[in-house]
Amino acid sequence: DSGVTQTPKHLITATGQRVTLRCSPRSGDLSVYWYQQSLDQGLQFLIQYYNGEERAKGNILERFSAQQFPDLHSELNLSSLELGDSALYFCASSAPPGTDTQYFGPGTRLTVL
Amino acid sequence: AQKVTQAQTEISVVEKEDVTLDCVYETRDTTYYLFWYKQPPSGELVFLIRRNSFDEQNEISGRYSWNFQKSTSSFNFTITASQVVDSAVYFCALLYSGAGSYQLTFGKGTKLSVIP
Repeated sequence: DSGVTQTPKHLITATGQRVTLRCSPRSGDLSVYWYQQSLDQGLQFLIQYYNGEERAKGNILERFSAQQFPDLHSELNLSSLELGDSALYFCASSAPPGTDTQYFGPGTRLTVL
Repeated sequence: AQKVTQAQTEISVVEKEDVTLDCVYETRDTTYYLFWYKQPPSGELVFLIRRNSFDEQNEISGRYSWNFQKSTSSFNFTITASQVVDSAVYFCALLYSGAGSYQLTFGKGTKLSVIP
């Protein structure tokens, strides 16, 4: 158990809908990262937050957004969902936003029908 | 640009055989960090090891060992006396640290099947 929690574990929804994925980092970690794992693209970095502020954006679609709250949990919002958004979404956390190891949560499997 | 190549897509071995998973990376950074993660069938990503570019000593942890060679930009992972529980997808990753961003670039992964 990495100490990073993600909810829900599975999510099934329809095209055009909006969903919210939630992540709680390990105790004491200030940085949160979101990654997407799909069959086509593999594991890709989406976005990074540190202590409530956005630090970096990767291959994140404009339909996707995220935020980190004062209690350090983070939410990834996915809207206008398309079939191609079906993937496993991972959250990771680390201590200072540097070279420390990123520990991953169990992931949320999103299926868009 | 950062890139990680895991040329072996799938490997099958018989239990108790040794197996090496290859990882080749590309980076222009002089300081960088390399990682291996394991993804068992249950789906989670489990951290195995982190290595920085200044430390070329090989590392051994039980049946696992890692060979880091800057000269060939490789960070290979060997499992000795493989077991069925080692069956998983293994990812090599390179940490990109630029402009305040600390994102991992992953290889495509190597699926290891250990046959009893």
